[in-house]
Amino acid sequence: GQNIDQPTEMTATEGAIVQINCTYQTSGFNGLFWYQQHAGEAPTFLSYNVLDGLEEKGRFSSFLSRSKGYSYLLLKELQMKDSASYLCAATDSNYQLIWGAGTKLIIKP
Amino acid sequence: IAGITQAPTSQILAAGRRMTLRCTQDMRHNAMYWYRQDLGLGLRLIHYSNTAGTTGKGEVPDGYSVSRANTDDFPLTLASAVPSQTSVYFCASSVGLAGESNEQFFGPGTRLTVL
Repeated sequence: GQNIDQPTEMTATEGAIVQINCTYQTSGFNGLFWYQQHAGEAPTFLSYNVLDGLEEKGRFSSFLSRSKGYSYLLLKELQMKDSASYLCAATDSNYQLIWGAGTKLIIKP
Repeated sequence: IAGITQAPTSQILAAGRRMTLRCTQDMRHNAMYWYRQDLGLGLRLIHYSNTAGTTGKGEVPDGYSVSRANTDDFPLTLASAVPSQTSVYFCASSVGLAGESNEQFFGPGTRLTVL
């Protein structure tokens, strides 16, 4: 079957680093997306990984291991505005996305 | 119009009524999608359209229909609403297929309550 797993909720401190993990199992996998969704708003694109390794984009980095079916999103120098849900999504054989339930990240001062 | 718009923003609907959720994009994107988002569940694909004139069924298509008469518009119709269709509905679009590395752009969502 197809499945995306990520933690339901995480808490971190302002200024710290947090890593949000995602494991996936899809048929016809081609790449993995991360989106950010603030409460009551629409998801917005953060990153896309198709090759193994780390992609860095400012304070946010995303990692992919295709052989392990594993990805993580790394957020550095956390700010209060980073409080949001982070959605992991993997492509399937129909060229559509299978989405995880999202990880709610709570930032404390 | 800039990006994707959805209408209405929210709606309370009596069970058994017919309802059309509207979605319009001005980015000339080929692909469009309808998702529903429920608490504790990920976004679930209802229907999609890879290009104008074509549509496909997603993970949860039952009770919903779509049409794609032109590039810009992708309405979602609930023929006879049921309480289990209470959800937040997001329309999205992308230049090409998600499986070809294309990011999806989302509308602001429609909050639908079926009583």
